[in-house]
Amino acid sequence: DTGVSQDPRHKITKRGQNVTFRCDPISEHNRLYWYRQTLGQGPEFLTYFQNEAQLEKSRLLSDRFSAERPKGSFSTLEIQRTEQGDSAMYLCATRDSLNYGYTFGSGTRLTVV
Amino acid sequence: TQLLEQSPQFLSIQEGENLTVYCNSSSVFSSLQWYRQEPGEGPVLLVTVVTGGEVKKLKRLTFQFGDARKDSSLHITAAQPGDTGLYLCAGALKDRGSTLGRLYFGRGTQLTVWP
Repeated sequence: DTGVSQDPRHKITKRGQNVTFRCDPISEHNRLYWYRQTLGQGPEFLTYFQNEAQLEKSRLLSDRFSAERPKGSFSTLEIQRTEQGDSAMYLCATRDSLNYGYTFGSGTRLTVV
Repeated sequence: TQLLEQSPQFLSIQEGENLTVYCNSSSVFSSLQWYRQEPGEGPVLLVTVVTGGEVKKLKRLTFQFGDARKDSSLHITAAQPGDTGLYLCAGALKDRGSTLGRLYFGRGTQLTVWP
């Protein structure tokens, strides 16, 4: 287990299309987080899971965004009816119950054209 | 408005110089972390501080958590080109139910070290 894996690394989509991103966490890490980062900004919280339970969602997460973590393993983030403002780097991070620090994946760069 | 304000936003220095990056808030944090991020990659954790007044050293990097746990600083001694990157501070709010919930990030300090 070499770390947090995100797929795809890059995604270009037309406005109005749906996209889905996947995150595979470090296997011992029960907490999984999704963040979004735009140029010149720090990561912005979207949602997080403890095992399969979604414990918190940002108010920024509109009803076009949905995240799942079936069986408490990998997670998916879906964006429906994409808009140009959705263009960003989508980061997944995980951690275990003992440590404060996140381990981030390399992110998925979304470009909506 | 950002919960954590970082300064400066950009820093461009010559190899061998010293620098300090600041992370300030009016809120109290149960823990604060520093990350470094390179272009096209996710942030990488450098350090976590949890006790007010705590100082941690990582080779040429020194991290300090303020006594009131509202601020932190990162000091780099004799900077090298390999230190170039985006430095982010992030904290967990003290009044949240769980200290393992979400983190709040600053906007980052983009550091460039020229040879």
